[in-house]
Amino acid sequence: DIVMTQSPDSLAVSLGERATINCKSSQDVLYSSNNKNYLAWYQQKPGQPPKLLIYWASSRESGVPDRFSGSGSGTDFTLTISSLQAEDVGVYYCQQYYNTPITFGQGTRLEIK
Amino acid sequence: QVQLVESGGGVVERGGSLRLSCAVSGFPFRSSAMHWVRQAPGKGLEWVAFIRYDGNNDSYADSVKGRFIISRDNSKNTLYLQMNSLRVDDTAFYYCATFGGLPIWGQGTMVSVSS
Repeated sequence: DIVMTQSPDSLAVSLGERATINCKSSQDVLYSSNNKNYLAWYQQKPGQPPKLLIYWASSRESGVPDRFSGSGSGTDFTLTISSLQAEDVGVYYCQQYYNTPITFGQGTRLEIK
Repeated sequence: QVQLVESGGGVVERGGSLRLSCAVSGFPFRSSAMHWVRQAPGKGLEWVAFIRYDGNNDSYADSVKGRFIISRDNSKNTLYLQMNSLRVDDTAFYYCATFGGLPIWGQGTMVSVSS
C-alpha cells in the first residue's frame, strides 16, 4: 500500500499570510503513460464531506479560488494557500488515487493565528 | 450535472446488517470503477472497497474483508455496499466515489452501530 504522510499535523497562520502543507507518498504516483500525478487535495469543514480542491497534483477544481494551488511530482507534493482567508479554516487531506487501495494522508488542521 | 447520492444509512445493532446504495447520474457510470470510503466521527478518511467498471473485480480494506460486499447494477446506475456482522467501529459516514481522473464524491450517508 502507498503510505501518504502529511506535514505538519496542524498549522496556525495569520490572515493574509501564506499557508503551506506538504504531502509525501511512499511510492511514485506519477503515471508515465499520461505524465499525470494521481494526487488530490481536499478541504473538510465540520459536518461536511470533503471538498475537492486540487486533482492531478496541480489542476484546480472548478469554482475553487485561485489562492489555492498544488505543486510537486513523483513523491513530494505541496498545497499552498497564497493569502489565508477566514473561510479557509478546516482540515486538509492529500490522497493518492494511483492505485488501490486508495490512501489518504492523516490530515492537517489549519487555524487562524 | 454529476450526482452521486448515497442512501440506506441508519442505526443498527452490533452484529446486524445494512445495505447502502449510491445512485449515480451525469457521468458514464458503466465504464467507471467505483469506491466506498468512510470516515468515523472525528477521524480521518479510510478507503473501504473498490469495484471494477464491469463488476468482475473487487477489493476490500482488511478491516471489512469477509464482512462487506461491494456490488453494482450498471442497468440502474447504482452502486451498493452490503455490510454484515457490523461492529461498533464501523460507525462512520460512508461515501461513494470515483477516482478515474477527476475525483467525484457523494455527500455521504451515516451508519451508526450501537452496542
